[in-house]
Amino acid sequence: EIVLTQSPATLSSSPGERATLSCRASQSVGSYLAWYQQKPGQAPRLLIYDTSNRATGIPARFGGSGSGTDFTLTISSLEPEDFAVYYCLQRNNWPITFGQGTRLEIK
Amino acid sequence: QITLEESGPTLVKPTQTLTVTCTFSGFSLTTSGVGVGWIRQPPGKALEWLALVYWNGEVQYSPSLKSRLTITKDTSKNQVVLIMTNMDPMDIATYYCARHTPSNYGAPLDYWGPGTLVTVSS
Repeated sequence: EIVLTQSPATLSSSPGERATLSCRASQSVGSYLAWYQQKPGQAPRLLIYDTSNRATGIPARFGGSGSGTDFTLTISSLEPEDFAVYYCLQRNNWPITFGQGTRLEIK
Repeated sequence: QITLEESGPTLVKPTQTLTVTCTFSGFSLTTSGVGVGWIRQPPGKALEWLALVYWNGEVQYSPSLKSRLTITKDTSKNQVVLIMTNMDPMDIATYYCARHTPSNYGAPLDYWGPGTLVTVSS
């Protein structure tokens, strides 16, 4: 099973700042890495899939990069609604696995 | 418009069997490249993928739970059912279903239901 390790566990930032979240895989996942956003009491929402493809309706301030084992989600300028928990997911190998999450909180 | 909704018991007793149903609309499980998966999330914890069924009948399970899980589809009803046996308090979680497509077809787990919280207690 591929283990995804997200860092940091918690990121404190302010609106308008740039946020960078990391996801490292225990072995290569090719480009099959996705990112989800989850707010309290809500289901996760797909942001980015296959490393850098934005899902339908996702603002351009969300961007993804990386390959193999190291991936990054960048939010170029934080909006108040971006403070949430973010999860990465790999689908290169069965079973599908999620990271443990990064909490993005307001500083 | 694609929607999914989970339904099932909110409370089960230890050792009982849980049956949760995902009813969806806006897509068909007879279309090539379409699947429906189940994911769960214990309170305050991370997401855990459980199982998935594809349009062609292929199923995949989490290895750690495979012996306890069964996933089935009913294309005439637009439903996917997850059965989990021998429930334990460790299985307390919100159970989500989501549409999924394989890597050569599109995006993974792109539409989700709101989830259903299942508690295990005697």
